[in-house]
Amino acid sequence: SQTIHQWPATLVQPVGSPLSLECTVEGTSNPNLYWYRQAAGRGLQLLFYSVGIGQISSEVPQNLSASRPQDRQFILSSKKLLLSDSGFYLCAWSVFNPQNTGELFFGEGSRLTVL
Amino acid sequence: KNQVEQSPQSLIILEGKNCTLQCNYTVSPFSNLRWYKQDTGRGPVSLTIMTFSENTKSNGRYTATLDADTKQSSLHITASQLSDSASYICVVTSSGDSWGKLQFGAGTQVVVTP
Repeated sequence: SQTIHQWPATLVQPVGSPLSLECTVEGTSNPNLYWYRQAAGRGLQLLFYSVGIGQISSEVPQNLSASRPQDRQFILSSKKLLLSDSGFYLCAWSVFNPQNTGELFFGEGSRLTVL
Repeated sequence: KNQVEQSPQSLIILEGKNCTLQCNYTVSPFSNLRWYKQDTGRGPVSLTIMTFSENTKSNGRYTATLDADTKQSSLHITASQLSDSASYICVVTSSGDSWGKLQFGAGTQVVVTP
């Protein structure tokens, strides 16, 4: 069976410090991978998605970057955190099909607080 | 403007009672609609997914309906339990979108009290 792991679960960082959130998927090959951010009272916002190693698409301009060094590894990074980067970050994976009826599986989330 | 609107924003129900959550969308062309349950501080978990031709789909005590003509969906929770306390998120996919561009509602926060 497939599983998705995301860490760390919680993180408190000072403004200007770097960030690295990591996500790995097990039990599947060549998954589509996603990073979402969830703000209180708002819908999930897609930050990045990847359809293969080294292939990253960004949905919104921001202070963050993503990388996919291996097939089932997705990393969210920042060189210098801003207060506005605080939030709940979710990694997800899917198996693409042309009808877009596939399932989207989420990790447990990472709560980032920037002080 | 958000293309997926959910109501109510939050609701409180007594254990054992039923409730219905609403989702209205403007996403077009339509491909499918999903309902997710998200426990506090956890990742969302899928409850149902419906395509254009499906009107009703059940998952245990959860029943989702879809009216693609009026672009409305509902999620009915029967005989609520304390474990149903969570945020319920409606997600709509357009058949014209790439896979990454799902439209998420803001969610309905449900609190089940003893």
